[in-house]
Amino acid sequence: GQNIDQPTEMTATEGAIVQINCTYQTSGFNGLFWYQQHAGEAPTFLSYNVLDGLEEKGRFSSFLSRSKGYSYLLLKELQMKDSASYLCAVRDPGAGFQKLVFGTGTRLLVSP
Amino acid sequence: EAQVTQNPRYLITVTGKKLTVTCSQNMNHEYMSWYRQDPGLGLRQIYYSMNVEVTDKGDVPEGYKVSRKEKRNFPLILESPSPNQTSLYFCASTPAMREGRTEAFFGQGTRLTVV
Repeated sequence: GQNIDQPTEMTATEGAIVQINCTYQTSGFNGLFWYQQHAGEAPTFLSYNVLDGLEEKGRFSSFLSRSKGYSYLLLKELQMKDSASYLCAVRDPGAGFQKLVFGTGTRLLVSP
Repeated sequence: EAQVTQNPRYLITVTGKKLTVTCSQNMNHEYMSWYRQDPGLGLRQIYYSMNVEVTDKGDVPEGYKVSRKEKRNFPLILESPSPNQTSLYFCASTPAMREGRTEAFFGQGTRLTVV
């Protein structure tokens, strides 16, 4: 089975940098996703890592270390609109790796 | 515009009254799934479908049914809803891994309350 751990909640200040960590234990690995979800809304895709290293996309970056079962999402120049939950998800070997298994999410609160 | 459309967005119903939540995608994706989201538990998969007429149970299938008669549609059926099925539901579709793009696309969500 899969086990994914993320902090439940984090707080940060507008303009700052925040790092949200995710650790996972899987029976097989084929990629890790980060999604952003505002309260009551659908998750939206942020990033995908399948190889070790850093993927940068504007203010958001995501890092993966497969040997450590570890990923982080880095948010720079925080804005109030970044207040949301951030979901880490990994592919499950079942159903040809099409299935995503999600962590419980990290709720980020950005204050002025 | 590529999208996944769920209906209704909000639904309040009574225990035991059958209901269907519809889901439709216009991206020709083979893989579709239903999730429920509850506080502190995250997104949990209810059922999934690998293609037309191919469906299987996810992690929390009890009390739910699905069908996949056409590629674009994947309705979620609650034959006899109970209060513990009060939740926020999401439909998602995913392109086949051979297509390169790999992220799931989510519908807008259906907030269901069973009283």
